[in-house]
Amino acid sequence: TQLLEQSPQFLSIQEGENLTVYCNSSSVFSSLQWYRQEPGEGPVLLVTVVTGGEVKKLKRLTFQFGDARKDSSLHITAAQPGDTGLYLCAARGGSGGSNYKLTFGKGTLLTVNP
Amino acid sequence: GAGVSQSPSNKVTEKGKDVELRCDPISGHTALYWYRQRLGQGLEFLIYFQGNSAPDKSGLPSDRFSAERTGESVSTLTIQRTQQEDSAVYLCASSLYSGGAGELFFGEGSRLTVL
Repeated sequence: TQLLEQSPQFLSIQEGENLTVYCNSSSVFSSLQWYRQEPGEGPVLLVTVVTGGEVKKLKRLTFQFGDARKDSSLHITAAQPGDTGLYLCAARGGSGGSNYKLTFGKGTLLTVNP
Repeated sequence: GAGVSQSPSNKVTEKGKDVELRCDPISGHTALYWYRQRLGQGLEFLIYFQGNSAPDKSGLPSDRFSAERTGESVSTLTIQRTQQEDSAVYLCASSLYSGGAGELFFGEGSRLTVL
């Protein structure tokens, strides 16, 4: 069974601070996605990365896929209260995995205080 | 176009009763997934449907859980003889493509509480 370990589990910061959350595994993945989930809603896709070493930017969010395609990070610059939510990484492939089944980590619950 | 629709949004039931949860995917999406999310946890894969292919039921936690999908339309997840540990949010998602880097579109979930 492939596992995605996310850290930290909880993060509470002040508006304007920078932060990085991590998603790690011992498996190699064909693709990795980051979703954000707000209370009472389903997760919404932020980004998909497929190439080792790939870096993608989405406004104040920077996503990186590790060279070996086993890990990923999400960096937020100048966090805002609207960034509050549960950040989930999810991946396909990996040892024992399939190309269609999306496996999720447990998430990082981010709170940005005004 | 409408997104993924789930019903009921909330369900409270007594231990031992059966419940049925419904998912209406985005039109044209061939892939449909059910996940379970316990309080403060990530998403746990339950079952996957792709067109008329045999579903991947490998994530169903026990034989009390079953799901059906008619063609590429509505899916129902049934939990028989509910237990308190079944309390969770059940999320349905659909996708245009079954693999690769396809995006999953989620509904808002059905929150199940078993008393």
